Amino acid sequence: QQKVQQSPESLTVSEGAMASLNCTFSDRSSDNFRWYRQHSGKGLEVLVSIFSDGEKEEGSFTAHLNRASLHVFLHIREPQPSDSALYLCAGGTSSGQKLVFGQGTILKVYL
Amino acid sequence: NAGVIQTPRHKVTGKGQEATLWCEPISGHSAVFWYRQTIVQGLEFLTYFRNQAPIDDSGMPKERFSAQMPNQSHSTLKIQSTQPQDSAVYLCASSLVDSGNTLYFGEGSRLIVV
Repeated sequence: QQKVQQSPESLTVSEGAMASLNCTFSDRSSDNFRWYRQHSGKGLEVLVSIFSDGEKEEGSFTAHLNRASLHVFLHIREPQPSDSALYLCAGGTSSGQKLVFGQGTILKVYL
Repeated sequence: NAGVIQTPRHKVTGKGQEATLWCEPISGHSAVFWYRQTIVQGLEFLTYFRNQAPIDDSGMPKERFSAQMPNQSHSTLKIQSTQPQDSAVYLCASSLVDSGNTLYFGEGSRLIVV
């Protein structure tokens, strides 16, 4: 069973500063990756999906995948207080549909 | 598009009682997933259905937990003889079969067992 490690556990940034989150997978069994966001008491909102090495941008969110190092990064450009939430990365395989999630990073953005 | 609908949003049940949670997937989505979320364990996969057939229940506790999908418009997760350790947020998600694993989640059902 693949393990997914996210860092940092929590991150506090000021409004407008870049926020960078990291996700590390234990093996290469996943071939597609996603970042989700969860506001308190809400469901998960998909932010960006990435399937190949390199970068994928969706609005103010940019995911960066490096398969060789088993890392997936999420960069949030000019975050706002409304971006304060739990950020979760997940990996899936093309042979099945379930996703394996990390524990999440709690992001707090202050004015 | 109403998104994935889960009911009830909150449920408090006494130890030993049964709890049933409902999920209505997005119309046209043929894959339905159940996850459990706790502070300690994070998001844990429980089970999933494709075209109403159970495909993978590897995450389901072998006793007391069962899931069904009697038709394409709803799935249920039943927990018998609930225990305090079953307290969690139960999340349902749906996806298109060929979506490349993009799951769309409901807001969850918070179960508290006292």
